[in-house]
Amino acid sequence: NAGVTQTPKFQVLKTGQSMTLQCAQDMNHEYMSWYRQDPGMGLRLIHYSVGAGITDQGEVPNGYNVSRSTTEDFPLRLLSAAPSQTSVYFCASSYVGERSPLHFGNGTRLTVT
Amino acid sequence: KNEVEQSPQNLTAQEGEFITINCSYSVGISALHWLQQHPGGGIVSLFMLSSGKKKHGRLIATINIQEKHSSLHITASHPRDSAVYICAPDTGNQFYFGTGTSLTVIP
Repeated sequence: NAGVTQTPKFQVLKTGQSMTLQCAQDMNHEYMSWYRQDPGMGLRLIHYSVGAGITDQGEVPNGYNVSRSTTEDFPLRLLSAAPSQTSVYFCASSYVGERSPLHFGNGTRLTVT
Repeated sequence: KNEVEQSPQNLTAQEGEFITINCSYSVGISALHWLQQHPGGGIVSLFMLSSGKKKHGRLIATINIQEKHSSLHITASHPRDSAVYICAPDTGNQFYFGTGTSLTVIP
């Protein structure tokens, strides 16, 4: 049982480049979400989804795009990377409609130069 | 506005000591989660609780819904407990996250 799989583990981008962080889960969770973690701050929600075809913005959505074409996958796109997007990114999933633990991916450490 | 406050921010303990980490929150919750993050590692869920107390091995989590307060206790701490512990109230629509308590247990 793979749980939540996040790739890549590390990435270095130049300002203005684009990339996609991949997230897949095999637990049939309806809820999937992306967070960024910066020193001295709690996890901050970027975007989330409660099911295929449904996405919504979180606390810090600017500069990021998401889509949810299947239950399993929830990619996060950086359209034009900026140094302020240097962070550690986590994908997480859980069931909707009942109290359920969040299952996290192993994180992606992104550096934008 | 800080919906979640954790204390202490940093904690150093000798192996074997009893550890307490506190979490106060201001939102109405359906559950509260305690998470653990090892240095450079991923985040795992330790507890999800909506009332009372839960125990897993040497870890105990308690919650007082009326006072909007939760505590995580570690009995007989061990160096492998060194990690960041994160409190995460769950409103049913959204998770909030504390900034974490960094615990170092010295042999």
